Amino acid sequence: AQTVTQSQPEMSVQEAETVTLSCTYDTSESDYYLFWYKQPPSRQMILVIRQEAYKQQNATENRFSVNFQKAAKSFSLKISDSQLGDAAMYFCAYRRKQGGSEKLVFGKGTKLTVNP
Amino acid sequence: ETGVTQSPTHLIKTRGQQVTLRCSSQSGHNTVSWYQQALGQGPQFIFQYYREEENGRGNFPPRFSGLQFPNYSSELNVNALELDDSALYLCASSSWTGPWVGYTFGSGTRLTVV
Repeated sequence: AQTVTQSQPEMSVQEAETVTLSCTYDTSESDYYLFWYKQPPSRQMILVIRQEAYKQQNATENRFSVNFQKAAKSFSLKISDSQLGDAAMYFCAYRRKQGGSEKLVFGKGTKLTVNP
Repeated sequence: ETGVTQSPTHLIKTRGQQVTLRCSSQSGHNTVSWYQQALGQGPQFIFQYYREEENGRGNFPPRFSGLQFPNYSSELNVNALELDDSALYLCASSSWTGPWVGYTFGSGTRLTVV
């Protein structure tokens, strides 16, 4: 089965501190994309960061970085210098190709609280 | 550059009724996907449209159907509504022309079935 597992339903962090959100996935594909999406109360899914599986270098976007371990099928998100605006649901996902179509497979999400 | 627009934002329907949700894709995008997000869950793939045809479908019954129009906008139709259809419905657009640009999501339609 092609699945995404986020083992932390909720996490909290102090403002300006660092937090890491965990994600493991299962796929038989060799080439794929991995994503972290943020969903604030406004409901829109906002792309935080993405990683191409063929790239060994971990992706970074400002305060956001990932630790991509392909053999272990692990894809964690590190948020540095946490800000109040980082509070949201975070979803890990991968892009699965199916014949001529494709889809995103999401985990159940981690609710991140940022404490002032 | 416009983003993805969904309408309506909220909707309340009665069990057994039919509903139509609408999505305008981002400018330059030609592919639309629909997702259902139940409360406390991650989004689940319903189907995808490309060149006005459904070209991929998740584990949803036939009473979930859709359309894509020549301007790449899309509709999601759900017949014979059930209580479990209550969810946030997200639309995402992308482009299959040129380099893959990823997905842009709308803010969703919150459907409540009573």
